[in-house]
Formats: sequence, structure tokens, C-alpha cells
Amino acid sequence: AQTVTQSQPEMSVQEAETVTLSCTYDTSESDYYLFWYKQPPSRQMILVIRQEAYKQQNATENRFSVNFQKAAKSFSLKISDSQLGDAAMYFCAYRSRAQKLVFGQGTRLTINP
Amino acid sequence: DVKVTQSSRYLVKRTGEKVFLECVQDMDHENMFWYRQDPGLGLRLIYFSYDVKMKEKGDIPEGYSVSREKKERFSLILESASTNQTSMYLCASSTLIRDWSNSPLHFGNGTRLTVT
Repeated sequence: AQTVTQSQPEMSVQEAETVTLSCTYDTSESDYYLFWYKQPPSRQMILVIRQEAYKQQNATENRFSVNFQKAAKSFSLKISDSQLGDAAMYFCAYRSRAQKLVFGQGTRLTINP
Repeated sequence: DVKVTQSSRYLVKRTGEKVFLECVQDMDHENMFWYRQDPGLGLRLIYFSYDVKMKEKGDIPEGYSVSREKKERFSLILESASTNQTSMYLCASSTLIRDWSNSPLHFGNGTRLTVT
């Protein structure tokens, strides 16, 4: 079974600085997708970014980018120019052709003004 | 915008009660999911459904059942609530995955259930 591990329960960063959230996963499949979701205090889960496993190029969405290392099964999220609105729980997730989304344990990100 | 609505934001029930958590989506999505979220454990899949009257067990189905009589509605049922079912419950939906990779999940705002 696939597993997703986020080893950092909490992270904090100064406003305007850069922070990287770690995620590793375990799978024997070659075709899959990886995601980062954000859950602010409103509880609404919001898709931040996604990465296709067959693409070598790292996905980027404005201030959010990933470092996808397929051989190492690593998928970290970098947030540049951190803003107060980035404070949230961040979940890494994996989806295979079986269509089930498997989540990591989450990382709580605090932004210090 | 896709809207996934969970009927209750907070719910308090007694041990042994039968509990219904309701979820409705307005985008004609085929797929619907129920997750529970616990600190340090992330989100774990309880049940999912790809079509009306169809259901499949997720990773932690014990103590739960589901019902999908209409496409837009997916209900999670706790037959006899127990204190270890105190948790945040999240419903999600997505379109049928023809291009399987391009159908993100849309989540509701969650129901925080407390069983006393």
C-alpha cells in the first residue's frame, strides 16, 4: 500500500522569507500524481499544486513550487515570499490509477510577522 | 465553482446513537468520498463511491456505512457512535476520471463530530 510521510509536524517562517515543507512517499507504481493541499482555519481544503510523476519538470504556481525527486520518492513544497495568508495546515497527497488519494500527516505552518 | 456542502459544521452525539453525516455536491460529480481527519494522522479514507448505489471501502471502514441513493448526495452513517469516532469528517467529490490525472478533489468544510 502506498504511504505518504510528512516528517515536520510544525514549521514556522518569517513573513517574506522562504520555507520548504518536506514529503516522502512509498510506491511501486510508475504512473501517479502528487499534490499539496492547504487547509486554513476555515477548514476548506484547497489544492495548491500538483505534479505528474512522468514529468521531470518541477511544477510551479506563482510563489509555490515543488522539488520532485522521483528516484528518492521525495516531493517538497517551497513557498517563496511567505505571506500571513499562507498560515495553514499543509497536506501532501498521492494518487494512483486506483483513484484513491492518500494523505500525509500534515505540517502546520506558522507565519511570523 | 464547485460547491460541496456538509450539513453540519459541529455535531455532538452520545455513545450508542446512530449518526448521519450528509454531504451534497452541486456539480454532477460521479465520485464522492468520506475522510476523517485526526491530528498527526492526516486524512484517512473511510468510504468512497463512483456511482449511485455503488460504494467501496476505504482504509478505515470499520464502524461506518454509507448511502448513495442520489448522485448528488453521499451520506456517512455511524451505526452506533463511539468515543473513538470523535473526529473531523471531510466529504469530497470529483469528476469521473477519463483522463484520470486531471480531476482534483473538491472538499466540503468539514463536520467536527464529538461523541460523549
